[in-house]
Amino acid sequence: AQSVTQLDSHVSVSEGTPVLLRCNYSSSYSPSLFWYVQHPNKGLQLLLKYTSAATLVKGINGFEAEFKKSETSFHLTKPSAHMSDAAEYFCVVRLNTGNQFYFGTGTSLTVIP
Amino acid sequence: EAQVTQNPRYLITVTGKKLTVTCSQNMNHEYMSWYRQDPGLGLRQIYYSMNVEVTDKGDVPEGYKVSRKEKRNFPLILESPSPNQTSLYFCASSLSAPLVPSTDTQYFGPGTRLTVL
Repeated sequence: AQSVTQLDSHVSVSEGTPVLLRCNYSSSYSPSLFWYVQHPNKGLQLLLKYTSAATLVKGINGFEAEFKKSETSFHLTKPSAHMSDAAEYFCVVRLNTGNQFYFGTGTSLTVIP
Repeated sequence: EAQVTQNPRYLITVTGKKLTVTCSQNMNHEYMSWYRQDPGLGLRQIYYSMNVEVTDKGDVPEGYKVSRKEKRNFPLILESPSPNQTSLYFCASSLSAPLVPSTDTQYFGPGTRLTVL
């Protein structure tokens, strides 16, 4: 069973416009949820993390994500895209029942000047 | 500087020739893990280790071995590599076991790009 689903494999936005990257998870309980970013030929960097303290999580570089239990979603947003945001973004879930992390298949963000 | 290091960063080898990719972290982390990244599939967990001498299979363990003799090191061993193991490999570590939400953030190494001919 798929634990995490990223709904868009590619997203393209114009510089200065909002970014929305969608992620849904499968879990009976509130899991830990993460967003990581991978710039071309680079490793993975943590953007933000949800662990039940607050449903709206603020991360680095102006990104934030909102945990919605009723929708089992953890979408990543940013009010205004910058050229440097062009990268691959991964939604990651750690289920409360195990010791493994499950990655989504990634969303490639293109920012058009 | 706190970091996860991997060596080599790039490797081209031939089918059947045993190889080891090393992973080391200097943060005294208990949990370490190996992933492979393939286009369209995201990252998939190969093996993980909760602590020294404790290892478990992830989702795609076939064809790989690991060991955790020291806390800082977690090498990935391919006894007989095959072309379908051509991939980008990442090592990661976190302070403690994933069931502790306050310390389950993973830190990733720079990646090892492996090509098996």
